[in-house]
Amino acid sequence: GQQLNQSPQSMFIQEGEDVSMNCTSSSIFNTWLWYKQDPGEGPVLLIALYKAGELTSNGRLTAQFGITRKDSFLNISASIPSDVGIYFCAGLNSGYALNFGKGTSLLVTP
Amino acid sequence: DADVTQTPRNRITKTGKRIMLECSQTKGHDRMYWYRQDPGLGLRLIYYSFDVKDINKGEISDGYSVSRQAQAKFSLSLESAIPNQTALYFCATQGDLGAQHFGDGTRLSIL
Repeated sequence: GQQLNQSPQSMFIQEGEDVSMNCTSSSIFNTWLWYKQDPGEGPVLLIALYKAGELTSNGRLTAQFGITRKDSFLNISASIPSDVGIYFCAGLNSGYALNFGKGTSLLVTP
Repeated sequence: DADVTQTPRNRITKTGKRIMLECSQTKGHDRMYWYRQDPGLGLRLIYYSFDVKDINKGEISDGYSVSRQAQAKFSLSLESAIPNQTALYFCATQGDLGAQHFGDGTRLSIL
């Protein structure tokens, strides 16, 4: 599959801070997805983006589908301890296979 | 109840044993997937199936086999387990818009 570059690899922040992470690719995608994985559980879909330039929110989370279709970012506002986990981006072309980033590990201190 | 259910959740076994991991779903999706997750390597695709009669290899299929018994059931087998197959295994389904929905995983340890 195509390599997605997800950054940062890890973040250590204080409760209340805003968080930003991004994902870039050398290839274009038709769909961008953001997942969160808690320890001992499977990835859970947070936000799905289907159109270049699209900006979508889910509570304190906001994600955007880059206009070039080669990138996407996820912002978390006013972080709380339960935001701790690993966040994955995934891109999808026509077809089936998701291409995953390697994840951003987020730690939030009270 | 979970939409995608994996059993067992944890398994410890010995080298050379045959292992089967099971996945069932209530989402009504035709497409199902098996991934393994290793620290630092993210999710890697093992096998996928678009319907009961369609099975395809992913990027790391060697040492694994699958069976799609019904639309709702997709099992993964390790014919002769080896220690480097120790990993977290996930089953997922895929809806029409492309988003995949994951089970809670099976933690497999091979001694």
